[in-house]
Amino acid sequence: NAGVTQTPKFQVLKTGQSMTLQCAQDMNHNSMYWYRQDPGMGLRLIYYSASEGTTDKGEVPNGYNVSRLNKREFSLRLESAAPSQTSVYFCASSEKGSTEAFFGQGTRLTVV
Amino acid sequence: KQEVTQIPAALSVPEGENLVLNCSFTDSAIYNLQWFRQDPGKGLTSLLLIQSSQREQTSGRLNASLDKSSGRSTLYIAASQPGDSATYLCAPNDYKLSFGAGTTVTVRA
Repeated sequence: NAGVTQTPKFQVLKTGQSMTLQCAQDMNHNSMYWYRQDPGMGLRLIYYSASEGTTDKGEVPNGYNVSRLNKREFSLRLESAAPSQTSVYFCASSEKGSTEAFFGQGTRLTVV
Repeated sequence: KQEVTQIPAALSVPEGENLVLNCSFTDSAIYNLQWFRQDPGKGLTSLLLIQSSQREQTSGRLNASLDKSSGRSTLYIAASQPGDSATYLCAPNDYKLSFGAGTTVTVRA
């Protein structure tokens, strides 16, 4: 039972490069989320998708775009990476917004 | 916007002591509250989920209470062990999880 799977686990980008973080869940959940975690701070919500075909901005959406490709997959794209986007990114899913959430193992992104 | 505060920020105790971790949140209109554990460099592991209608939830040595009206939750860990060393995060859920900075626990053998 894989749960929530994120790829890649580590990535180094140069300023201005683009990349897509992938997330897939095998629990048939409707809701999916992208968070970032910075040292000394709690996780902050970037974007979420309450159901397939819908996406909404969270607390810190600037510089990011998302795609809910299907019910299983929710990707996060950085169009032009900046050093301020150096962080650990977590994907999560839940059956719906009011139920228990499960997290992936994270992607450590460094922008130089 | 939901604001979450966890006190203390760090805690160091000898093995065998009971742990008390506090969480406060500003918006009481929540569906539930989750407690997570995070080991260094790892993802979040769900420990307990308390529904808004519940006062407490127990799992093994862990017990979490919830006072929704006052915006508070407490995680109790009985008879701590070195393996309990980790960062503990609480997350009230108002259709999206909000997080505090966590409490980092060190249990000394």
